[in-house]
Amino acid sequence: LAKTTQPISMDSYEGQEVNITCSHNNIATNDYITWYQQFPSQGPRFIIQGYKTKVTNEVASLFIPADRKSSTLSLPRVSLSDTAVYYCLVALNSGNTPLVFGKGTRLSVIA
Amino acid sequence: DVKVTQSSRYLVKRTGEKVFLECVQDMDHENMFWYRQDPGLGLRLIYFSYDVKMKEKGDIPEGYSVSREKKERFSLILESASTNQTSMYLCASRDHGTANSPLHFGNGTRLTVT
Repeated sequence: LAKTTQPISMDSYEGQEVNITCSHNNIATNDYITWYQQFPSQGPRFIIQGYKTKVTNEVASLFIPADRKSSTLSLPRVSLSDTAVYYCLVALNSGNTPLVFGKGTRLSVIA
Repeated sequence: DVKVTQSSRYLVKRTGEKVFLECVQDMDHENMFWYRQDPGLGLRLIYFSYDVKMKEKGDIPEGYSVSREKKERFSLILESASTNQTSMYLCASRDHGTANSPLHFGNGTRLTVT
């Protein structure tokens, strides 16, 4: 199983772009990269997923370099409501696979 | 929308009690998972199940067992609760047959063992 490493915490001011990088040096060929967001007193929720290059949706962008040994979640123009813990998960995304998370990154957005 | 429901939001139990944490999902998902979450340690996998009556140990199964008698329900059992099992417990489910299917989480059960 690919192990992930993320910064423990980050601070940002409102309106800035925030980039959170996840390292996954032993990612396997068939592994996908998925990011989750967790607000206090709630379960994590899916934000974005990718395999390679760049993926964008209405919430975020995900950048994955060619070697796939890392990925970067990009949140454009953050607001106070983006304060949360962000988890990167690398796993084979089908079949009967244990899904093991890292420790996540606590993002604090300041006014 | 997928709904994953955990039976209790908060639970207080005494040391030595047998504790059942229940989780139900309404989307006919094959895979279900139990995690515990503690400050600074992130989400740690306790057990998962890939189908009815199937179970696999995660990273920290000691002191826990699980039951999956029906597809929609996955129960976490603390045979004899201890204070070090005070934690937030999160259940999740996933459709294993759909490529790239993400996890869907419940809102958690905060268990306090005194």
